[in-house]
Amino acid sequence: GQQVMQIPQYQHVQEGEDFTTYCNSSTTLSNIQWYKQRPGGHPVFLIQLVKSGEVKKQKRLTFQFGEAKKNSSLHITATQTTDVGTYFCAGPDTNAGKSTFGDGTTLTVKP
Amino acid sequence: DTEVTQTPKHLVMGMTNKKSLKCEQHMGHRAMYWYKQKAKKPPELMFVYSYEKLSINESVPSRFSPECPNSSLLNLHLHALQPEDSALYLCASSQDFNNEQFFGPGTRLTVL
Repeated sequence: GQQVMQIPQYQHVQEGEDFTTYCNSSTTLSNIQWYKQRPGGHPVFLIQLVKSGEVKKQKRLTFQFGEAKKNSSLHITATQTTDVGTYFCAGPDTNAGKSTFGDGTTLTVKP
Repeated sequence: DTEVTQTPKHLVMGMTNKKSLKCEQHMGHRAMYWYKQKAKKPPELMFVYSYEKLSINESVPSRFSPECPNSSLLNLHLHALQPEDSALYLCASSQDFNNEQFFGPGTRLTVL
């Protein structure tokens, strides 16, 4: 079955440093979605990418979808303490199967 | 209304109890999901309803029984649970199957 891997599992940064998490699927994806879950909270949808090679920005966040539609990345520029949480990618494979969540990357930011 | 609501927020039950979790959305979404999430793990899909019909059951034990009374409501009936079923149960909805999902706050379940 489809496997979605994320690296790193944990990332500790000083406030102001940049952060990147990478997502890799064992199968080609129809789309890729990114979610953020704050400690004690629930996943909150951030963005969906659909096209091969697509890049989208949300303020300090930059999302990329790989050319082969099997990988994606989330980059945060100049992290803030409000960026703390676990970032999950999720995506359905092209056989219209269910979305599988990656294991997540937990970001902590030291002020 | 862009919210998914879930009740109760917390639930403690014994292994012989019967209880139900409820989820509601008024965004006109046609797909609704139940997930189970253990600490420090990703959400694990349990069931998907699409247009009020069960479309995916991820081999979930029969002690969990989903129900979709109408397009806005989703229930999860619990019976004879085990302590290892203790987790955060999340409901989500999306416009269509496999589009971006909107999650409710979850029900934190403890089975004694």
